Order: sequence, then structure tokens, then C-alpha cells
Amino acid sequence: QKEVEQDPGPLSVPEGAIVSLNCTYSNSAFQYFMWYRQYSRKGPELLMYTYSSGNKEDGRFTAQLNRASQYISLLIRDSKLSDSATYLCVSTTDSWGKLQFGAGTQVVVTP
Amino acid sequence: TGVTQSPTHLIKTRGQQVTLSCSPISGHRSVSWYQQTPGQGLQFLFEYFSETQRNKGNFPGRFSGRQFSNSRSEMNVSTLELGDSALYLCASTASGSPKGDEQFFGPGTRLTVL
Repeated sequence: QKEVEQDPGPLSVPEGAIVSLNCTYSNSAFQYFMWYRQYSRKGPELLMYTYSSGNKEDGRFTAQLNRASQYISLLIRDSKLSDSATYLCVSTTDSWGKLQFGAGTQVVVTP
Repeated sequence: TGVTQSPTHLIKTRGQQVTLSCSPISGHRSVSWYQQTPGQGLQFLFEYFSETQRNKGNFPGRFSGRQFSNSRSEMNVSTLELGDSALYLCASTASGSPKGDEQFFGPGTRLTVL
């Protein structure tokens, strides 16, 4: 069983809708939590990064961490066609060098 | 410039060996390697910091790497197997610690083993 679990999708939403992505982790030693976005045939790029319980907002993106439930979510508001990508939920204990990735959720934003 | 990797694509046959190259962002001392496959997703291979392997994932000894004094890194896979077909991603950070740091990924090298 992977230490980071997320629904692989695909998740299809109309342009302008809210996208809600969920992720759970099983390793209580994880301290840092990230959401990466990966376009087809590209390397992942960091979207959001958090290490404390609660919400963190950056423009149209909100990441929520609930340490008690070992649950992370990503909300994308006012979705755009360019948001079509695979979103990776990622955790690590103390180093960027030991990232544990979820399987990724494919999001398709339709016109 | 960002993290660069070479070559972009590579085709090898079973039993051969391959070397992939990664140039981190200038000033970055930590380089990590990942394997991405449709079945297993992204898996951590190893991390190098200042020419020393600092962390290692659960891959067989056929997978090895090294880092040079200019922080450039190479990974080597010997005795290639069909299952080694994957996208190999390299990522770099300044220090390797998530506190106040960010990791940047390269575009990857797509390896096909026939």
C-alpha cells in the first residue's frame, strides 16, 4: 500500500467550476505536504506547499491540511482550460530528497 | 535557466546499460532522481548533496548515480530490463530541506527498453 493515496480520476469539470482533489496519507511522520501539477510529457511543477494544519490560499488555489485525519485537499476555483493536468499529492518527512508521491489525479477541464 | 536533462529520449535493448545526465539550477547542491511509470507512478530513486548520496529509495543495485563537484549528476542503469522503461526525472533544490526551499523538476528523460 502506498503511503500517499489519491483517486486517479479522471475528473472532468466544465470551465469555471470548482475542482476538489483529495488525498490521504498513512505515515504520521510526514511533516511537509505539497501539491504538484504535471502536464503531459513535462516534469512536475510545485503548486502549493504546507506544513501546518489549516488552509493555505494562493490565488485560485487553496490547500487544506488536516493532520488529525491525515488528509490533504486542493481546491481550484474558477477552473480554466489550462488547469487540465495531473495533480500529484506529495509528502515527505524532512527532505525534498525523499518525496512520496500519490498516483496523481487527472483533471480535464472542458469548454 | 531551469533543470536540464539529457538525452530527451533514449531507446535501448535488454541487457544494455544507460547513463542519464542532469544539470541542476545554478547554485543548487541537492539533486534527486525519480522514476515515473504508469503502473507505479513517481518513485524516489536517490538524492545527492555535495557529491554524496544522502538518501536512497528501494531500487536494486542496478540503479546507481553520482554527483560531480559542479553539482551535475548522472544516473546509471545496468543490465536493462523491460520494466525499466519509464520517464526518469531529476529535481534540484538549494539545500534539500523543505524549510524555505523549493524543488524544481527537469523535463525528464524517456527511456524505452526493447
